[in-house]
This record gives sequence, structure tokens and C-alpha cells, in this order.
Amino acid sequence: DVKVTQSSRYLVKRTGEKVFLECVQDMDHENMFWYRQDPGLGLRLIYFSYDVKMKEKGDIPEGYSVSREKKERFSLILESASTNQTSMYLCASSLVTGSGNTIYFGEGSWLTVV
Amino acid sequence: AQTVTQSQPEMSVQEAETVTLSCTYDTSESDYYLFWYKQPPSRQMILVIRQEAYKQQNATENRFSVNFQKAAKSFSLKISDSQLGDAAMYFCALSPSNTGNQFYFGTGTSLTVIP
Repeated sequence: DVKVTQSSRYLVKRTGEKVFLECVQDMDHENMFWYRQDPGLGLRLIYFSYDVKMKEKGDIPEGYSVSREKKERFSLILESASTNQTSMYLCASSLVTGSGNTIYFGEGSWLTVV
Repeated sequence: AQTVTQSQPEMSVQEAETVTLSCTYDTSESDYYLFWYKQPPSRQMILVIRQEAYKQQNATENRFSVNFQKAAKSFSLKISDSQLGDAAMYFCALSPSNTGNQFYFGTGTSLTVIP
């Protein structure tokens, strides 16, 4: 089975702190994604990466950056956390070859910024 | 632009009954895939069912089936013989074939199953 692992399930950070959310997948998927999930807004794409060191902005990239130094690992970085970034963050991965491939999700990281 | 709309923020169903969750989408692409994902409370999002747009036959997976109306751009999910474990947030998703496997999600429908 595909496994997408998010290293932190629950975090509480202070405003202005730098926050790292780590994600690892074990299926050699080319695509990796970071989504933000908020009630009533569904899943909004922050960034995605289709290859090592490659990244593309999603719908809401402001205040975030990403890093993909290895194929299996995709990190989301909040350079200076703010209270409006309190949310659940979902990492996901998928194959890029072919089409209609399923996207696989991690369990999510609940971030509270105080 | 691709959009996915779920107009029912919340739904409820009696255990053992049938419920239908609605989803409409918009895309200019002719080749795409549609998905329903389930997110149980505090648990991982998992795939429920998948439909290829070029297939006329509606996909089914055990108690889950879809009603895919391509012309109307509608993709509803029917859950038969509802069980307590079906209680979850359900997301409809669209993945056009030429977008490098990007996914577009609706806002979700929260399903409550009443014992």
C-alpha cells in the first residue's frame, strides 16, 4: 500500500516562528502536493512539485514556500507563521505518468498559530 | 479553469437507508477523471470510487455507485445500505488528463449516519 507520512500531526506555534511540515512518500511518485483544508473551503492547493527541485505555485502560495531535495520528501515552510495560517495541512502524492491516477493523502497536520 | 461544486454542506441518512451526494463540475477538457474521496473524522482521506469520463458505464464499488451525467457535468455518489462507518466528509474531485495529474476538489459534504 502507498504510504504518505506527515511527521507532525499536531503543532502549536507562536506568531512569527518558522514552521516546517515534513512529508514522505514511499511509492516513488513523481507528484507531491501540499493542500490546506478549512471548513467550508474544501482543499486548496498551496504548492505542488512534479520532480525533485521543481515546484509550482498553487492557488494560495502566499506566506508559504516548499522544498523538494529528494523525490520522496516534500516540505512545506511557513517563513513567519501568522494566526490566519491556523489550519489543517494535507500532503499528497501521485504518479504523473499516464492519467487518472489516484492521489494518496497523508493523515494531515493540524497547525495552530497563537 | 476547472471547478468542482458540492452544493450540500451537510447530509444525513438513517442507517441501512440510501443517500445521494451531489457534485457538479466544469471543465473545458474532453478527457478527465472524476473521484469521490472519503475523510472520516481525524483520519486519512481515502479513495471511494473513480470514473473515467470516456466511459459511459457508471462506476460501482460494493455499496457505492455513481451517476455520471457527462452532458450535464454531474457526478453524484450513491451510498446504499448506509453504515455507521460511512459517516465522514466526502469530497468530489476532478483531474483533467492534460494537467499533469492535478486535482481539483469541491468543498465537501459532511455525512451523518443516524443509528
